[in-house]
Amino acid sequence: DAGITQSPRHKVTETGTPVTLRCHQTENHRYMYWYRQDPGHGLRLIHYSYGVKDTDKGEVSDGYSVSRSKTEDFLLTLESATSSQTSVYFCAISESTDSYNEQFFGPGTRLTVL
Amino acid sequence: GDSVTQMEGPVTLSEEAFLTINCTYTATGYPSLFWYVQYPGEGLQLLLKATKADDKGSNKGFEATYRKETTSFHLEKGSVQVSDSAVYFCALRGQAGTALIFGKGTTLSVSS
Repeated sequence: DAGITQSPRHKVTETGTPVTLRCHQTENHRYMYWYRQDPGHGLRLIHYSYGVKDTDKGEVSDGYSVSRSKTEDFLLTLESATSSQTSVYFCAISESTDSYNEQFFGPGTRLTVL
Repeated sequence: GDSVTQMEGPVTLSEEAFLTINCTYTATGYPSLFWYVQYPGEGLQLLLKATKADDKGSNKGFEATYRKETTSFHLEKGSVQVSDSAVYFCALRGQAGTALIFGKGTTLSVSS
């Protein structure tokens, strides 16, 4: 299994509070991704990173920011959490953006915003 | 833009039954196609993939063939087991893409 961990695994927070989710990899892969999984939507890309300090937006980036100061860590921040951000968040990594190159997923973080 | 459509679930089968989960896609160029599986409480695991037309991906008794003429990548297994109960996601990655584009997922429940 690819070495990807996410923390915390579960979090309950209140509307308006800041939340930071962490993804840590031991594979030294260049590319890292944050997805959210919601019923009826599959997984949708929030943000991705193509190197240290290099990030870009995905399909559903509003309300989220990311940072990558080291190859192994990719942080997802909700500056002011809303109930619509209740979801399961998955981090993924890949060696390249070549289409044949699969992505490996972490175990997920279940976030509940009350 | 690119998209993936897979059959709605849940799919409920008895052990040893034949499984088909339909997946069709819309994409420009020549994407790679993937099936991921998610067991309860876990992340997604790659089940199989195909990177060009007519390729057949296979793993753990599951198979899927990349059909460009019908833009399909249907997942099949000849004899399902209770342990195959999970959510299955079809996905594509375009030639110029970074992200995977996922279908909505199909829940499979197998009873003994």
